[in-house]
Amino acid sequence: ETGVTQTPRHLVMGMTNKKSLKCEQHLGHNAMYWYKQSAKKPLELMFVYSLEERVENNSVPSRFSPECPNSSHLFLHLHTLQPEDSALYLCASSQGEGTDEQFFGPGTRLTVL
Amino acid sequence: GENVEQHPSTLSVQEGDSAVIKCTYSDSASNYFPWYKQELGKRPQLIIDIRSNVGEKKDQRIAVTLNKTAKHFSLHITETQPEDSAVYFCAATKDSNYQLIWGAGTKLIIKP
Repeated sequence: ETGVTQTPRHLVMGMTNKKSLKCEQHLGHNAMYWYKQSAKKPLELMFVYSLEERVENNSVPSRFSPECPNSSHLFLHLHTLQPEDSALYLCASSQGEGTDEQFFGPGTRLTVL
Repeated sequence: GENVEQHPSTLSVQEGDSAVIKCTYSDSASNYFPWYKQELGKRPQLIIDIRSNVGEKKDQRIAVTLNKTAKHFSLHITETQPEDSAVYFCAATKDSNYQLIWGAGTKLIIKP
């Protein structure tokens, strides 16, 4: 597998469930990102990690919890989500900071019932 | 904070015609402006970018222009083809900043 991969591709969960999204990059990049993409809205940056340290956290509700165990893997742990959290969650990676090209994964389509 | 506005939200052009998408930014310190294309059901991909030390950049049928004084930049697509149909996002950022500030996107429809 090359580039940026995400699993699962689709997820349906109830408001009381706990689930995790996984992202893996095979590009040797140092930075990884979580974005939320909702219809008719700009891409919303949720979290950024550089060399496994969180460098950005854009006022995301605590029901979203990121984890970056190494520079190739990024997780987003979900618990007690709301229906308005339903969206496409995109992972991306870049060599360094924001002025480097970001490579996106295919996304996880999340539906919260 | 930085804000990026993108217009129009939807653009429909005849195949073969040109398309122009415009973005304005608020932070005069921004110096990097990428454009990403997202086809239906696919991931966003960088198609072209420009840095503040140049006013225009071209790559085959696409070009980007930057006006630092007015704080706006535009994407130009000439001789549009069906495969140009997609949502296009502009963004802005500056050195040492991990966060791209994104426009809301423009849905480009190419009519046969």
